[in-house]
Amino acid sequence: GENVEQHPSTLSVQEGDSAVIKCTYSDSASNYFPWYKQELGKRPQLIIDIRSNVGEKKDQRIAVTLNKTAKHFSLHITETQPEDSAVYFCAASNDYKLSFGAGTTVTVRA
Amino acid sequence: GAVVSQHPSRVICKSGTSVKIECRSLDFQATTMFWYRQFPKQSLMLMATSNEGSKATYEQGVEKDKFLINHASLTLSTLTVTSAHPEDSSFYICSARDLDTGGNGYTFGSGTRLTVV
Repeated sequence: GENVEQHPSTLSVQEGDSAVIKCTYSDSASNYFPWYKQELGKRPQLIIDIRSNVGEKKDQRIAVTLNKTAKHFSLHITETQPEDSAVYFCAASNDYKLSFGAGTTVTVRA
Repeated sequence: GAVVSQHPSRVICKSGTSVKIECRSLDFQATTMFWYRQFPKQSLMLMATSNEGSKATYEQGVEKDKFLINHASLTLSTLTVTSAHPEDSSFYICSARDLDTGGNGYTFGSGTRLTVV
């Protein structure tokens, strides 16, 4: 089955700086890579996603890059703000099951 | 957009009793529903996949007799935790795909916090 690894597990950044989270996946059949933000006790919220036929996607301060050859994808948050503090999960899907990374706790210091 | 309604949001039960969690797709037909379990400060772990009208497929290590899944209609899937024990205390969350969105759209329920005392 799919194995998604995510690093780092915790990330502390100064407000205004950038945050980068990296994930790797094992199943070459995976073709959809979403990123979720989850607050305590809440459902995961989709913040950005990318499909395997695209190398990069950007939405305001958030961007995701995908390297299919190396089987890794990354989340970039620029100009971080206190409200960006949360747990972030990467995930990979083979058009059926969705497998999650272990999560990254991001803390933005004011 | 696609909405999945999950109930209850919180439940406390006594050890040895059973608890049923419901997930309904409100504005789309969910032929497949995924059930996840999330322990504190951990990731979402897929427990099983339910398909409307057929038996659920369980992930390795998940006891099918303990976690009963029923997907009797295109809009309703249920997870029953039978003979619950304190170690079953967790956050359970369902997810369904709305294939009509044109993307890979996974929609999540709001989750159920189960506490077994």
